[in-house]
Amino acid sequence: KAGVTQTPRYLIKTRGQQVTLSCSPISGHRSVSWYQQTPGQGLQFLFEYFSETQRNKGNFPGRFSGRQFSNSRSEMNVSTLELGDSALYLCASSLGSGSGYNEQFFGPGTRLTVL
Amino acid sequence: KQEVTQIPAALSVPEGENLVLNCSFTDSAIYNLQWFRQDPGKGLTSLLLIQSSQREQTSGRLNASLDKSSGRSTLYIAASQPGDSATYLCAVSGSARQLTFGSGTQLTVLP
Repeated sequence: KAGVTQTPRYLIKTRGQQVTLSCSPISGHRSVSWYQQTPGQGLQFLFEYFSETQRNKGNFPGRFSGRQFSNSRSEMNVSTLELGDSALYLCASSLGSGSGYNEQFFGPGTRLTVL
Repeated sequence: KQEVTQIPAALSVPEGENLVLNCSFTDSAIYNLQWFRQDPGKGLTSLLLIQSSQREQTSGRLNASLDKSSGRSTLYIAASQPGDSATYLCAVSGSARQLTFGSGTQLTVLP
């Protein structure tokens, strides 16, 4: 079974630009979560989508947004990039159904550098 | 607000040693706890998942325990190998349907 895939793997942008990152979950998984990892703040939760609906959102500014498609693939967008947005962006997928919280499987990440 | 702490931040051991990594969390109302491994510049690999009703999980040379009432988990690695060198992250999930991560323990196993 194929794992979580993220594209692109590396991105270099300049301040003020916008960027879109893509995540394809494991087949059959309907939940996709996004995390930002930086040396200073560690891993921080951005948002979670399930069946095309955002179920939860972390404490990030509105410049960070996302969506999920009917095939469970997800995209996240960052507008008006700032230097501090440079980070490894990780996507995680899970079954997402039922009570509790399912095991999360992470992709390889997208390394975003903002110059 | 859930907070997760991992001690030590870094650990260096000779090959073959058994070792224990520690994780503590402030809110015991968790659904489960997951241990991950991260190699430099890479994504996270799930090692073990412990449901809140469980006390421990084992996979090969790895054993993770959970004491929900005291807010603690340990990851035991038996007979460490140089290939075990990585950062180990502990994360808990709660009603907020998100993972809260510790800052990790950077493990180096010396040949």
